[in-house]
Amino acid sequence: QLQLQELGPGLVKPSETLSLTCSVSGGSISNSRFHWGWIRQTPGKGPEWIGSVYYTGRTYYNPSLKSRVTISVDTSKNQFSLKLRSVTATDTAVYYCAAPTVTPLGLWGKGITVIVSS
Amino acid sequence: ETTVTQSPAFMSATPGDKVSISCKASQDIDDDVNWYQQKPGEAPIFIIQEATTLIPGIPPRFSGSGYGTDFTLTINNIESEDAAYYFCLQHDNFPLTFGQGTKLEIK
Repeated sequence: QLQLQELGPGLVKPSETLSLTCSVSGGSISNSRFHWGWIRQTPGKGPEWIGSVYYTGRTYYNPSLKSRVTISVDTSKNQFSLKLRSVTATDTAVYYCAAPTVTPLGLWGKGITVIVSS
Repeated sequence: ETTVTQSPAFMSATPGDKVSISCKASQDIDDDVNWYQQKPGEAPIFIIQEATTLIPGIPPRFSGSGYGTDFTLTINNIESEDAAYYFCLQHDNFPLTFGQGTKLEIK
């Protein structure tokens, strides 16, 4: 059974880089023709798609975040990662990674709360 | 970019009611819509794929309809456990975009 786990620090200082990894178990990133994604959500607001990566390494990003985001995949470790640079308090959110099932973003991890604060 | 407009933002229902939530896309997105349910403090659960197909394990009182630009999530015979936040996702084109979400309260 496919499972996802978001890993990384829960506290990041302003202007620094938020780095998260999504560890995938129970299935292989390389076996899906769909993309693997990162989403974030702040209390009381709808989710925001950050970006996605295919097993080939091809990426797509939200235009509003594109200048600060890098998503990468490591198929040998069966994981994919998010880097968000120059963070501010507005980047405080719950960050989710999501896997494709029969469609993109069919299965979400439990999420990790990231607070941006000095 | 495809804008997805979801409504209503909030609704209240009584057990046994039927409710409908709408997502309207700014352009034709075929049936490339997912629906999710999210309870407080939990990750979203995938409930409808490709606009109309119920995910295995989801109660049949949930259903989806629509194609093109107009999509609807319907919950028949609502139960108290259906109290949650519901949102749609269009995955027809990048950037992927979500509806703003609907908070469903059960009286």
